[in-house]
Amino acid sequence: DQQVKQNSPSLSVQEGRISILNCDYTNSMFDYFLWYKKYPAEGPTFLISISSIKDKNEDGRFTVFLNKSAKHLSLHIVPSQPGDSAVYFCAASTWNSGNTGKLIFGQGTTLQVKP
Amino acid sequence: DVKVTQSSRYLVKRTGEKVFLECVQDMDHENMFWYRQDPGLGLRLIYFSYDVKMKEKGDIPEGYSVSREKKERFSLILESASTNQTSMYLCASSYRDRGPFFGPGTRLTVL
Repeated sequence: DQQVKQNSPSLSVQEGRISILNCDYTNSMFDYFLWYKKYPAEGPTFLISISSIKDKNEDGRFTVFLNKSAKHLSLHIVPSQPGDSAVYFCAASTWNSGNTGKLIFGQGTTLQVKP
Repeated sequence: DVKVTQSSRYLVKRTGEKVFLECVQDMDHENMFWYRQDPGLGLRLIYFSYDVKMKEKGDIPEGYSVSREKKERFSLILESASTNQTSMYLCASSYRDRGPFFGPGTRLTVL
């Protein structure tokens, strides 16, 4: 039972354009969401997060949008750069559990940004 | 900078061997986690710990055990390694409500 789903295994965009990575979840108790980026042979690194009390959070080129009614979140990268090429994981947690380090991850989307 | 280190980057073991994966964090974090990453499955939680000598099962604990004798160290133990435990193992630590910081991972191959 996959509670967090990233239905696109891969995405390819041109440098300078927008990259949009999508994530869907099924558990309405999730109230804190994160995006991680992972290069091969390295551990995931935290990118950006959003609490369910917000519908948007922005950090430089990265913006995360949350649509609670649709149980959907997306990560926008503008403009995309070749160094953004990596696997992106979305993750969800229940804040009220007090242990948001316990995350449920999606399967990941491999982003390729072409020069 | 937060630092989470794992004892080995690459490990090759035989079926039936006992395997120890060590993880150390230097930020005095309360929470520590072991995940495994497999293609098409994302990261799945094996075990986590909120305090010394405290552990809880994650989503896929079968075939694994853990030990946390000191706050900074969290060990994952494969009692009798099997080929289906070939995977990338990722340790992470976090403080309360912050998202976890991950180590570089250990690529384990069980032959």
